Amino acid sequence: GQNIDQPTEMTATEGAIVQINCTYQTSGFNGLFWYQQHAGEAPTFLSYNVLDGLEEKGRFSSFLSRSKGYSYLLLKELQMKDSASYLCAVRLSPPGSARQLTFGSGTQLTVLP
Amino acid sequence: GAVVSQHPSRVICKSGTSVKIECRSLDFQATTMFWYRQFPKQSLMLMATSNEGSKATYEQGVEKDKFLINHASLTLSTLTVTSAHPEDSSFYICSAGGLVSQETQYFGPGTRLLVL
Repeated sequence: GQNIDQPTEMTATEGAIVQINCTYQTSGFNGLFWYQQHAGEAPTFLSYNVLDGLEEKGRFSSFLSRSKGYSYLLLKELQMKDSASYLCAVRLSPPGSARQLTFGSGTQLTVLP
Repeated sequence: GAVVSQHPSRVICKSGTSVKIECRSLDFQATTMFWYRQFPKQSLMLMATSNEGSKATYEQGVEKDKFLINHASLTLSTLTVTSAHPEDSSFYICSAGGLVSQETQYFGPGTRLLVL
């Protein structure tokens, strides 16, 4: 089966930096996505990695190591509005095929003042 | 980015009734759409892949006769929860896109279903 692991909860202080880890063991790999989801809302896209290395986008960065089956999402200069669930998702099959994303259970981040 | 809408956003129904949820791609054509279910404090679970003009592909453990999917046009897919029961109460989310290499799926805003 597919296995994607993330910590269940994390807490950090406003203005700080937080790193959310994701490890995966899947039958295929065609890219890894990070999403942010506020309670009762749909996920919103944050980042995409398919090659090893770091992708930076403003306050958010995402890293991937395919050999280690490991990714992290780095959030800098935390703001209260960053309190949300962060979902790691692996695309198992090539784009265009039927089976798309498999999600981790999500990490609930709480940002404290 | 592309926009996906869902209707209704929230529905309350009695046990035994059927509920239809619509998913529309507003500014692009979607030959494939995906239906997810999310229980409180859990992640998204793929229920089925909706294919325009053909039968949907259901994930293991999802009853195709209970969750009817119709993808009649390139911009609309519907999910009908038939004979709903309280255990079907959940957050249902559809998505479309993600069919080229770097493109993410675009998610609808979700439908909160409560079965009494």
